[in-house]
Amino acid sequence: AQTVTQSQPEMSVQEAETVTLSCTYDTSESDYYLFWYKQPPSRQMILVIRQEAYKQQNATENRFSVNFQKAAKSFSLKISDSQLGDAAMYFCAYTSPYGGSQGNLIFGKGTKLSVKP
Amino acid sequence: NAGVMQNPRHLVRRRGQEARLRCSPVKGHSHVYWYRQLPEEGLKFMVYLQKENIIDESGMPKERFSAEFPKEGPSILRIQQVVRGDSAAYFCASSPRDTGGLRNQPQHFGDGTRLSIL
Repeated sequence: AQTVTQSQPEMSVQEAETVTLSCTYDTSESDYYLFWYKQPPSRQMILVIRQEAYKQQNATENRFSVNFQKAAKSFSLKISDSQLGDAAMYFCAYTSPYGGSQGNLIFGKGTKLSVKP
Repeated sequence: NAGVMQNPRHLVRRRGQEARLRCSPVKGHSHVYWYRQLPEEGLKFMVYLQKENIIDESGMPKERFSAEFPKEGPSILRIQQVVRGDSAAYFCASSPRDTGGLRNQPQHFGDGTRLSIL
């Protein structure tokens, strides 16, 4: 079964600095998709960035970028120029159109990010 | 261009009552996914539905929980005889189809329904 592991329950970063959140996953599929979600105190689930496994180029969305290492099954999120509004829970998620999960998102347990002014 | 709409945002029930949670998918989407988030945890898959069909309910408790997605109207997650342990946030996501491709993945969520059991 596919699993997603976020090994950092909490992280802290100084405003304007850079922080990297870790995520590893386990799968036997070769085609799949990976996502990072942000959940602020309002509890909404906001899609931050996404990556297709067959694309070697790392996805980038403004200050957010990923380091996708397919062989290592690693999908870390880098937040540059951190802002106070980045403080939230961050969830890594996996899905595959094949196999038992078929489109169901599998989430890690999350990393709580604090941003210090 | 409305996204996934869930209502109510907050629902309070007493033990033993029924809870009904509604999810309207993105217009044109025919697949709906329900997730549950317990306090201090990530989202866990519950059920995957197509119009008038349950495709995968492997994450849904066998008793008291049911889900439907009728031909017309929103998808409904129904919890009968609620207990304190049902207190959680329930999220819904939708997708246009169940084939491959990034845009067909159920990646956008509604704002969730926070269910509190007294």
